[in-house]
Amino acid sequence: LAKTTQPISMDSYEGQEVNITCSHNNIATNDYITWYQQFPSQGPRFIIQGYKTKVTNEVASLFIPADRKSSTLSLPRVSLSDTAVYYCLVGDNNNDMRFGAGTRLTVKP
Amino acid sequence: SAVISQKPSRDICQRGTSLTIQCQVDSQVTMMFWYRQQPGQSLTLIATANQGSEATYESGFVIDKFPISRPNLTFSTLTVSNMSPEDSSIYLCSVRSGLGNEKLFFGSGTQLSVL
Repeated sequence: LAKTTQPISMDSYEGQEVNITCSHNNIATNDYITWYQQFPSQGPRFIIQGYKTKVTNEVASLFIPADRKSSTLSLPRVSLSDTAVYYCLVGDNNNDMRFGAGTRLTVKP
Repeated sequence: SAVISQKPSRDICQRGTSLTIQCQVDSQVTMMFWYRQQPGQSLTLIATANQGSEATYESGFVIDKFPISRPNLTFSTLTVSNMSPEDSSIYLCSVRSGLGNEKLFFGSGTQLSVL
């Protein structure tokens, strides 16, 4: 099971781009990289998922280098409502259910 | 995607009693997961519940304390038995759904306080 390491916390200001990096040195060939967002008093919510290179959707981009030992979640032009905890999960369909510590992002006005 | 209804949303219980948390999904799913999240902490997987078989518990969690039922493909319950204040936490139900089944979807959680 690939262990993940993320910064415990990050601060940003409204309108800035935020990049959160996750390290997963022992990622396996079949593993996907998935990011979730959690607001207080809610369950985590799926943001984005990728296997390699770059993935973009309406809320974020995910950058994965060729060696796949890390990944970076990029949130463009954050707002106060993006203040949340962000979790990186690495695994395949059989073992991707365990969460790491997550990154607490605080967006300031 | 999957829509998950979890209840109760919160409860305050007395020490030594038990609480059963229900999780209803709007579609049939093979695997359901139960998590615990203590204040300010990440999620900890309690067990995986497959329909028609015994739940698989993670290290540190036992069936006598957290019995799970999975009577069909859309429903599961988690019981927190013989509660103590240390069981005060948020309990979350989750399913894997979507193309290739790679995404987790969560209920809104049950906030449990044990006095």
